Amino acid sequence: QVQLVQSGAEVKKPGAAVKLSCKASGYTFTSLPIHWVRQAPGQGLEWMGWINAGNGVTTYSQNFQFRFSITRDISASTAYMELTSLRSEDTAVYFCATETNGQWYFDVWGRGTLVTVSS
Amino acid sequence: DIQMTQSPSTLSASVGDRVTLTCRASQSLNDWLAWYQQKPGKAPKLLIYKASSLESGVPSRFSGSGSGTEFTLTISSLQPDDFATYYCQQYSFYATFGQGTKLQIK
Repeated sequence: QVQLVQSGAEVKKPGAAVKLSCKASGYTFTSLPIHWVRQAPGQGLEWMGWINAGNGVTTYSQNFQFRFSITRDISASTAYMELTSLRSEDTAVYFCATETNGQWYFDVWGRGTLVTVSS
Repeated sequence: DIQMTQSPSTLSASVGDRVTLTCRASQSLNDWLAWYQQKPGKAPKLLIYKASSLESGVPSRFSGSGSGTEFTLTISSLQPDDFATYYCQQYSFYATFGQGTKLQIK
């Protein structure tokens, strides 16, 4: 079955960068996109962007255009999300997710990675 | 950007109650709308897609309706496991989530 396994929690200082991973299994990695969704403590869900795992093309939400990037390593069946110039407001759980039916609703999710930004 | 507004923000109900949650979009979505359930510390779980299609394995007490800009999620008879936060998500143009409705025990 399709599974997404995310990397472990991170603690970073303001101004640093963080790179999270999302390892896919149970399907051909290049056949499904990977999306990233953020959830700040006690807050709602915010779509950040996505990568076409086949051709590597990315699209980012306007709110995340400048400090955020998504990449993938086909050989490792893994997508990565990097967020730079971290601020305290970036403290959140970051989920990766995919859509197995070719439409943009997310039927498979990773468990999430908590990123804490604190001096 | 398409804005999504859910109401109410919090809903108190009892086991066995029938409840309806509402989601409104700032522009027409046709029926490109999904609903998720999220429990504390967990990833969201897909319940409904295309406004009214029930995801495989989701109990039939959950149903979705609506089109255009107004949508509802109905739980016909609340079970103890249903107390959670519910989010709608549009996928007519990229993806946007509503702010959520927390369903709590009365």
